[in-house]
Amino acid sequence: DAKTTQPPSMDCAEGRAANLPCNHSTISGNEYVYWYRQIHSQGPQYIIHGLKNNETNEMASLIITEDRKSSTLILPHATLRDTAVYYCIVCPGGTSYGKLTFGQGTILTVHP
Amino acid sequence: DTEVTQTPKHLVMGMTNKKSLKCEQHMGHRAMYWYKQKAKKPPELMFVYSYEKLSINESVPSRFSPECPNSSLLNLHLHALQPEDSALYLCASSQDLRGGTDTQYFGPGTRLTVL
Repeated sequence: DAKTTQPPSMDCAEGRAANLPCNHSTISGNEYVYWYRQIHSQGPQYIIHGLKNNETNEMASLIITEDRKSSTLILPHATLRDTAVYYCIVCPGGTSYGKLTFGQGTILTVHP
Repeated sequence: DTEVTQTPKHLVMGMTNKKSLKCEQHMGHRAMYWYKQKAKKPPELMFVYSYEKLSINESVPSRFSPECPNSSLLNLHLHALQPEDSALYLCASSQDLRGGTDTQYFGPGTRLTVL
């Protein structure tokens, strides 16, 4: 079973920041938070991941709360091409092999 | 370069056919994965190969047969499929399963229709 809870859908105006929340209250110490997105009928695209600290890359920022029980993915200036399903995934590190368990995700719709 | 390629993009097959899906990566990754995604559902893991050896089989029916002939290639052989096997089949690869974190990169998928 997925270990994360996300709102089923969100809307965002083009050019504004999109803040996508994720709850992972049962996360354990060696588990990472990953974010992927899937644009219609394409393969999932890696966005960002983190363990404890906030992370930023060219696509997005990831804010993880101090207790690590929740996180927020921030797309700073959403465009129409950011419309997609966004998946927050808790993934074990170390030797727990590669089992990405996708939840239902959040459908983000960016409108003009 | 984080490209994973999959062929064909689309495949239509009958229940008595035998076909194969192909996945390729040239990133030097040593782990490769097959996922299945039904319409309006999230991807589900099927198989994991680590260093060309099958390490995870998520109780997938034997009509799906994976093969990893070398570190860059991953095949999924299909035989006697059912219409309910129609789905998007996704391949992914990652650098190393052993320690730390291991980001998976996905291909575009093969859209399979079983008649």
